[in-house]
Amino acid sequence: GESVGLHLPTLSVQEGDNSIINCAYSNSASDYFIWYKQESGKGPQFIIDIRSNMDKRQGQRVTVLLNKTVKHLSLQIAATQPGDSAVYFCAENMGDYKLSFGAGTTVTVRA
Amino acid sequence: DSGVTQTPKHLITATGQRVTLRCSPRSGDLSVYWYQQSLDQGLQFLIQYYNGEERAKGNILERFSAQQFPDLHSELNLSSLELGDSALYFCASSGTDNEQFFGPGTRLTVL
Repeated sequence: GESVGLHLPTLSVQEGDNSIINCAYSNSASDYFIWYKQESGKGPQFIIDIRSNMDKRQGQRVTVLLNKTVKHLSLQIAATQPGDSAVYFCAENMGDYKLSFGAGTTVTVRA
Repeated sequence: DSGVTQTPKHLITATGQRVTLRCSPRSGDLSVYWYQQSLDQGLQFLIQYYNGEERAKGNILERFSAQQFPDLHSELNLSSLELGDSALYFCASSGTDNEQFFGPGTRLTVL
């Protein structure tokens, strides 16, 4: 499943499929980007980050891609599991680690 | 569990009142951040403290203030409360690597 375009509020994905969540950021001078996951009733949880001198970074089942030319960030989740159901936020560092968050994408995993 | 604690978990109060939200950062973290999460505004950065000193300010109203104490815990004071102040308030803390760990939040309801 993939959120198409700059931002899609919801993404429904079949369990076991890969998910792609997209995000557009605003500040071309931002040097640090983070993806957070927020489950219902909890605070945002760090997933993965990337600095502006990189294009790609991989974690456990997650990959973040950064395209500075078009100011676009994406999060790829491999083999999506029911526990991945949550709201996903991208955030950019506006300076001094003041984070500006995107509106969030709600991911629902279908069994 | 992020290691960041917030109290109270829920707070219900009336318009015009004043409340204090409390945050204890992860052990050893010197930076504390406050965020407001509402349905219409999303997750917004309010203010950051570092080792007792204000470091950065975001979209924080003049009716709101914060401080960080010598033991590094922080309090966010909200006064002259309005209906629109109803939101989730999150505290996050970070250490030298600047990765922010979020607490579970305080849900404020203004009636």
